[in-house]
Parts: sequence; structure tokens; C-alpha cells
Amino acid sequence: SQQGEEDPQALSIQEGENATMNCSYKTSINNLQWYRQNSGRGLVHLILIRSNEREKHSGRLRVTLDTSKKSSSLLITASRAADTASYFCATDAFRSHSGGSNYKLTFGKGTLLTVNP
Amino acid sequence: NAGVTQTPKFRVLKTGQSMTLLCAQDMNHEYMYWYRQDPGMGLRLIHYSVGEGTTAKGEVPDGYNVSRLKKQNFLLGLESAAPSQTSVYFCASSYSGTLAPNTGELFFGEGSRLTVL
Repeated sequence: SQQGEEDPQALSIQEGENATMNCSYKTSINNLQWYRQNSGRGLVHLILIRSNEREKHSGRLRVTLDTSKKSSSLLITASRAADTASYFCATDAFRSHSGGSNYKLTFGKGTLLTVNP
Repeated sequence: NAGVTQTPKFRVLKTGQSMTLLCAQDMNHEYMYWYRQDPGMGLRLIHYSVGEGTTAKGEVPDGYNVSRLKKQNFLLGLESAAPSQTSVYFCASSYSGTLAPNTGELFFGEGSRLTVL
């Protein structure tokens, strides 16, 4: 079952506007990541935010995390036509370390962002 | 640096046929994953491996088998293909879990599009 759920499912904006996508999740996490997927391509990592962080920036990207609400948002400022893609949040569910290491990400269904020139 | 390479990129099978998807990574990553991506379903984890010689089931393992005989390769097999396995398959790799200095970032291949008639 999906851990992360993005909202909205689709978003269409004009070039130069800001785009905000949200992600909600159900269980405690170690970190939350955002990925981008251009049509017909593989996913590319954008940014990771750890559970003890509240905000992180990378270029035109700003990610926030609210662990009390189990939600995150991805803001893309001054959007460009080249930002048109699907955006996914991914979470790793918290698990105690009992001598072994185990790590897997659960992805949401994604937000399709269209930036019109 | 090739990163994660998947072969083949496209394949059409008839119901009941078998095939193997090959994933190769040249980043010396410990962890490797197979996901499937379907419209409206996002990415779902099929199987994963935390090291050479180990494999584990993900969210949707039925109908698939995997092997990790070499650290750099992760094979996904379909013994008797069914139309429900029509999908785009993505392989990914990561250094390990969230142990520092690793960020937990996944590196994805470009996908293998499989159609089962």
C-alpha cells in the first residue's frame, strides 16, 4: 500500500509562477525524499529531508516537513517549461535497527506538473 | 559513468512465455530494487536486495523471481507472463540505508516497457 500520497494529482501553471505540491504519509519516517520523472524516463532524485529537519532548500526547490501532521510540501519557484514532469514523494518507514540493515522507499502516485510557456 | 542500465528497454511477450530483465549498476551499491509503474498506481516495489546473494519480497512479489548472484547485477524473472504484468519496470540502486554519509538516494534506470498479450 502507498505510504505517501501526493496532492494535487495534476497541476497546470504558467511559466514564472510558483508550483506547490503536497505529500501526506501515514507512519513515522526517517526521511522523506522527492523525485522527478520526465515522460518516458526514469526517476531522478531531487531532495531529501530528514525527520528532524523542518525546511530545506536546493536552488529553486523548497521542501518543508511537518512530522506532527505527517505531511511535506515541495515548492518550485519561478517555474519553467522544462519543469514539466511528474513529481513523487517517497518515504522510508521507521524501523528499529536490530543488527541488520534494511532500507526501502515507498512512493506515492505522483503529481503531474505542466508548466505552460 | 553509466549508472543503472536496464535491458531490454522494450519487450512484447505472449501469455505464458518467460523472460528475464537485467539490471546492472556500476556504482558499487549494496542495495538494488525492482519497481513496477502502472497508470494511477505510482511505483510499487516488487523485490529488493540488500547485498550480493540476498533477496527479499516487496509489496507485489507474486509472479516474479529475482536473483543477485553478483553485486552489480539484479535480475527480474517472469516464469509465466500474464497480461496483468504489462507494465513499465524500473530498477534502482542505493549505497545502503540511512547510515551516514549516505543520503538514502535511489538511482534509477530508464525503465523496461513490457507488454504481455
